[in-house]
Amino acid sequence: DGGITQSPKYLFRKEGQNVTLSCEQNLNHDAMYWYRQDPGQGLRLIYYSQIVNDFQKGDIAEGYSVSREKKESFPLTVTSAQKNPTAFYLCASSQGDNEQFFGPGTRLTVL
Amino acid sequence: GQNIDQPTEMTATEGAIVQINCTYQTSGFNGLFWYQQHAGEAPTFLSYNVLDGLEEKGRFSSFLSRSKGYSYLLLKELQMKDSASYLCAVKSWGAGSYQLTFGKGTKLSVIP
Repeated sequence: DGGITQSPKYLFRKEGQNVTLSCEQNLNHDAMYWYRQDPGQGLRLIYYSQIVNDFQKGDIAEGYSVSREKKESFPLTVTSAQKNPTAFYLCASSQGDNEQFFGPGTRLTVL
Repeated sequence: GQNIDQPTEMTATEGAIVQINCTYQTSGFNGLFWYQQHAGEAPTFLSYNVLDGLEEKGRFSSFLSRSKGYSYLLLKELQMKDSASYLCAVKSWGAGSYQLTFGKGTKLSVIP
């Protein structure tokens, strides 16, 4: 079955710690995206990557970092510089500018 | 910049029809998506409009008017499982790539 996986589903971290969220897809899509969703807010774009070894900042990239060393993988690191990291994080992929397919999400809580 | 407006919440009765509106102001418009998102889950694709008019897909239809910056999602024969948030997302071209900008979503509650 083709799809996008994110792990873990729930993640708890202490304030000041960096944490890396995983995102893997086997859809052979070139483009991958990271969004953040807060209650009452729309999805906001953090970073996106259109091809391997290349990525661009989205609207709210501060305090986050990514890498795209493999086509299948696009991990997101939430650094201690992110002021309010508690949120629902969604990874997506697409082939070109077609519809984006989303992973199940990771709910990050910083204590 | 991009600006997308949707009603925050709507309530409708099982078996009825509901229309969820979305208005947008954007540069480089290149299409509009509707997604469904159940609480705590990933958004799933419902429809895509790039030309003016109505696209029908089973119980769901989506309409676009580019000149008015307006779209709606029409849900017929509502079922309890249709209770979810519905996200309007505008695709636009800028800075050498396509991007999606999402509205805040409309939370639909279907009541018996």
